[in-house]
Amino acid sequence: SQKIEQNSEALNIQEGKTATLTCNYTNYSPAYLQWYRQDPGRGPVFLLLIRENEKEKRKERLKVTFDTTLKQSLFHITASQPADSATYLCALEAGNMLTFGGGTRLMVKP
Amino acid sequence: EAGVTQFPSHSVIEKGQTVTLRCDPISGHDNLYWYRRVMGKEIKFLLHFVKESKQDESGMPNNRFLAERTGGTYSTLKVQPAELEDSGVYFCASSFPMTGELFFGEGSRLTVL
Repeated sequence: SQKIEQNSEALNIQEGKTATLTCNYTNYSPAYLQWYRQDPGRGPVFLLLIRENEKEKRKERLKVTFDTTLKQSLFHITASQPADSATYLCALEAGNMLTFGGGTRLMVKP
Repeated sequence: EAGVTQFPSHSVIEKGQTVTLRCDPISGHDNLYWYRRVMGKEIKFLLHFVKESKQDESGMPNNRFLAERTGGTYSTLKVQPAELEDSGVYFCASSFPMTGELFFGEGSRLTVL
């Protein structure tokens, strides 16, 4: 069956360090993958999209990698700040919709 | 420019009652999606409109759920009659064709007692 796995445990890191979040999937062949940020009580907010023929994408302090052989995406936040604390969701293209992982909660401590 | 707006933000109803959720997408976005997050689970797809046409409603749980998008503008999602397991947060999202990026509303939290 199709599955998207994100670490359900919270990731706690110190301010200034790099946060790395993982998204693994099985039985999908997505044309692209997206990452969203969600704050408590709010809707998801789009961060980055990476296509299957792209290995890496960057936007300011964010970097996403996409390995279609390993069926894995890594999401990095460099020089993390307390304001980066949120839940981060990966989402895979599945036809005309996105399928979401359960999200990983990131806590950046001052 | 206004983002995706959803109403109500929170609704508390008794089992067996009816609730209608409304979504106003970003102007010019032909694609409109409904998603739902129930407690402890991931956000799950419900259905997709392209303008006023239902493109895919494979995620709708059962026939107690009815979505409409008259005129290709705002959309409503009606639950009738509501059951306890319908409780959750219902998100609406919209997008331009072919861009992939979804713009989400803040969600409508439904509590069925």
